[in-house]
Amino acid sequence: DQQVKQNSPSLSVQEGRISILNCDYTNSMFDYFLWYKKYPAEGPTFLISISSIKDKNEDGRFTVFLNKSAKHLSLHIVPSQPGDSAVYFCAASAGGAGSYQLTFGKGTKLSVIP
Amino acid sequence: EAGVTQFPSHSVIEKGQTVTLRCDPISGHDNLYWYRRVMGKEIKFLLHFVKESKQDESGMPNNRFLAERTGGTYSTLKVQPAELEDSGVYFCASSQERGRNTGELFFGEGSRLTVL
Repeated sequence: DQQVKQNSPSLSVQEGRISILNCDYTNSMFDYFLWYKKYPAEGPTFLISISSIKDKNEDGRFTVFLNKSAKHLSLHIVPSQPGDSAVYFCAASAGGAGSYQLTFGKGTKLSVIP
Repeated sequence: EAGVTQFPSHSVIEKGQTVTLRCDPISGHDNLYWYRRVMGKEIKFLLHFVKESKQDESGMPNNRFLAERTGGTYSTLKVQPAELEDSGVYFCASSQERGRNTGELFFGEGSRLTVL
């Protein structure tokens, strides 16, 4: 019973274009969402987060959008760079930013083609 | 500043044997977490320490798994006896006190466990 779903296992994008990674969730109690980036043989690295009281959070080239009614969030990377090639995990928690039991999706492997 | 370190990076054992994984969190981080990723599946929460106390161990799969955090510093995760389905990558993460950050966990590189 997956509560956080990343339905695209992989995505290829041309350098300079926009990358859009999607994530859906089923648990209505989730109120804090995070994206992590993972390179091979490394641990996940925090990228960006969003609270359920917001619908958008931006940090440089990375923007996360949250649609609570659809239980959907997306990560936009603009412009995409070859160094962005990695596996991206969507994660969610219930209880605000102070609750750290994260529920992860299976990840989407992003390949940015030079 | 040193990040979260885990040892060993890879362990290969036979079914029925015992393995102990170690995690050293970032200095000053009271919160320490164990997560596990089984092949092809999502990263799953195992447990959460606040200093030396277990705050939440709802993700521990069964009593073959024992986690400790002596003195609130490093933590160990022991699997005894190991079964084939325990194979995967075990991630440790740490964070500062709750409410003082954005919810960011700092992950280690993981300990890959292969049970034959």
